[in-house]
Amino acid sequence: DVKVTQSSRYLVKRTGEKVFLECVQDMDHENMFWYRQDPGLGLRLIYFSYDVKMKEKGDIPEGYSVSREKKERFSLILESASTNQTSMYLCASGVGEQFFGPGTRLTVL
Amino acid sequence: QKEVEQDPGPLSVPEGAIVSLNCTYSNSAFQYFMWYRQYSRKGPELLMYTYSSGNKEDGRFTAQVDKSSKYISLFIRDSQPSDSATYLCAMSGRLTGGGNKLTFGTGTQLKVEL
Repeated sequence: DVKVTQSSRYLVKRTGEKVFLECVQDMDHENMFWYRQDPGLGLRLIYFSYDVKMKEKGDIPEGYSVSREKKERFSLILESASTNQTSMYLCASGVGEQFFGPGTRLTVL
Repeated sequence: QKEVEQDPGPLSVPEGAIVSLNCTYSNSAFQYFMWYRQYSRKGPELLMYTYSSGNKEDGRFTAQVDKSSKYISLFIRDSQPSDSATYLCAMSGRLTGGGNKLTFGTGTQLKVEL
């Protein structure tokens, strides 16, 4: 079975803090993705990566950056967290179908 | 207009009913179609994956794609309380190493009552 794991299920941070969300997949997938999910807005793509050290902006990249130093690991970074970044963050990997991790519910106070 | 439209529900049905979930889309380049199930506070789980038009069956689930009408459906037979979840449709226009971005519907919330 494909396994995508995320470093935290729940996270509470303060405005202005730097936040790191980690994602690891065990299926040797080239493509990895970061989404956020908000009620009424569905899943929105923040960034994706199709190779180590490669990244591309998704639909809502502002306020975020990413890092992919190893094939199995894709990190999402909130440089200076703001309250409007309170959301469910989902990592996925795959070519064709995508397999999701359990999600990180981030609250920014 | 959104590229993918999905009725948010909530949809409430009795146990054993046949459920029909639907999405419409506007981008004729979409070729790959997926349905995901998402339980509360969990990540989406892939249910069905189809290419182009036609039907695909897996147990109690049938996925149907009509590219001429830009309409996809998921049917659930003999629905169970454990099917209560949010169902997301997703679609993609290409499968390359350059990043197969998916476009998602907003999800339909389903409740199957005893």
